[in-house]
Amino acid sequence: DQQVKQNSPSLSVQEGRISILNCDYTNSMFDYFLWYKKYPAEGPTFLISISSIKDKNEDGRFTVFLNKSAKHLSLHIVPSQPGDSAVYFCAASMSGTASKLTFGTGTRLQVTL
Amino acid sequence: GAVVSQHPSRVICKSGTSVKIECRSLDFQATTMFWYRQFPKQSLMLMATSNEGSKATYEQGVEKDKFLINHASLTLSTLTVTSAHPEDSSFYICSARPRTPRALHFGNGTRLTVT
Repeated sequence: DQQVKQNSPSLSVQEGRISILNCDYTNSMFDYFLWYKKYPAEGPTFLISISSIKDKNEDGRFTVFLNKSAKHLSLHIVPSQPGDSAVYFCAASMSGTASKLTFGTGTRLQVTL
Repeated sequence: GAVVSQHPSRVICKSGTSVKIECRSLDFQATTMFWYRQFPKQSLMLMATSNEGSKATYEQGVEKDKFLINHASLTLSTLTVTSAHPEDSSFYICSARPRTPRALHFGNGTRLTVT
């Protein structure tokens, strides 16, 4: 049972444009959501997170939006840069689980020149 | 930022042998560390939660006698793959969390190949 889903396995965006990566979840107990970036043969790198008490969190070029009623979150990257090309995972956790994360399946972002 | 170091980054071993992977939190103490496994083109799957000073908590379907976890100190957890088989070949990643923020930091992973 995949509780966190990223339905787009890949995304290609032109440099300078906006990249939008989507994530859906099914477990309403999740109350904290994170986005990670991963290069091949490396561990994931934390990008940005959002608590369920918020609907938006912004950090530089990265913004995460949370729609609790739809159980949907998205990561916006603007402007996209070639160095952003990587696999992006969304992850979710719930209070009281010591940060145990459930990961989505990942979306490979390619930023083209 | 918080740093998690994982060693070795790559290991090749023969079937039937055991392999130990170390995970260290370099600039913070971690009472809890997590071990994940990633198969090619798949998501990261949590294997177990490593608790300092007590037994690890394993996810359903993960054999605790095969994947031995020892959280000897607040900065070190080890995963030992015992009697390795080719199907154990995978990418193993550890993670830990400082007190704040509420975000896991990951090691760079260990690519295990069992021949």
